[in-house]
Amino acid sequence: GDSVTQMEGPVTLSEEAFLTINCTYTATGYPSLFWYVQYPGEGLQLLLKATKADDKGSNKGFEATYRKETTSFHLEKGSVQVSDSAVYFCALRDTGNQFYFGTGTSLTVIP
Amino acid sequence: EAGVTQFPSHSVIEKGQTVTLRCDPISGHDNLYWYRRVMGKEIKFLLHFVKESKQDESGMPNNRFLAERTGGTYSTLKVQPAELEDSGVYFCASSQRGTRVIYEQYFGPGTRLTVT
Repeated sequence: GDSVTQMEGPVTLSEEAFLTINCTYTATGYPSLFWYVQYPGEGLQLLLKATKADDKGSNKGFEATYRKETTSFHLEKGSVQVSDSAVYFCALRDTGNQFYFGTGTSLTVIP
Repeated sequence: EAGVTQFPSHSVIEKGQTVTLRCDPISGHDNLYWYRRVMGKEIKFLLHFVKESKQDESGMPNNRFLAERTGGTYSTLKVQPAELEDSGVYFCASSQRGTRVIYEQYFGPGTRLTVT
């Protein structure tokens, strides 16, 4: 069945460091791919998405590119801030509108 | 516009007791979803309502879980009797319903359930 595998955390970075959180997926058909973020005490928020191969999703300085050849959707940010501290979830939505999430990666950014 | 709200934010109960979680979707959203994240694991789909009807309940783990959405507004998820492995965070999400467009799901803050 469909599934998502993402890099385990926790991840701790200094402010302004480069961030990569790896995400790979297994799916039949042509899924859409997402990154969600959960800030402390809040719900899951959509961070970015890509609906087809080679699409790049971007938001708040974060980017991820839908790579069909490597079945990946790695999240990157060039310079993280303390306010980026949160849990990040990679997810896919299959053609039946069913979501599959990864296990989440906790990020802590220290000043 | 108010977002998806969930109540309570945290519940601690003993094994064998009953707990009822509530979700209030965004007004006008026909689709309502329940998900669960067991500690350290992925968020998993439980079920999907369209208005008051269960569209898909393939993710419900067993018959100790009962979800309802009377009147097609808020939804409740009852766990009876609760077991230790039911501990986790229960998320609710809602979205508009479209025939040709898939609308974004908006998530609530979750209810953290601890069964001791």
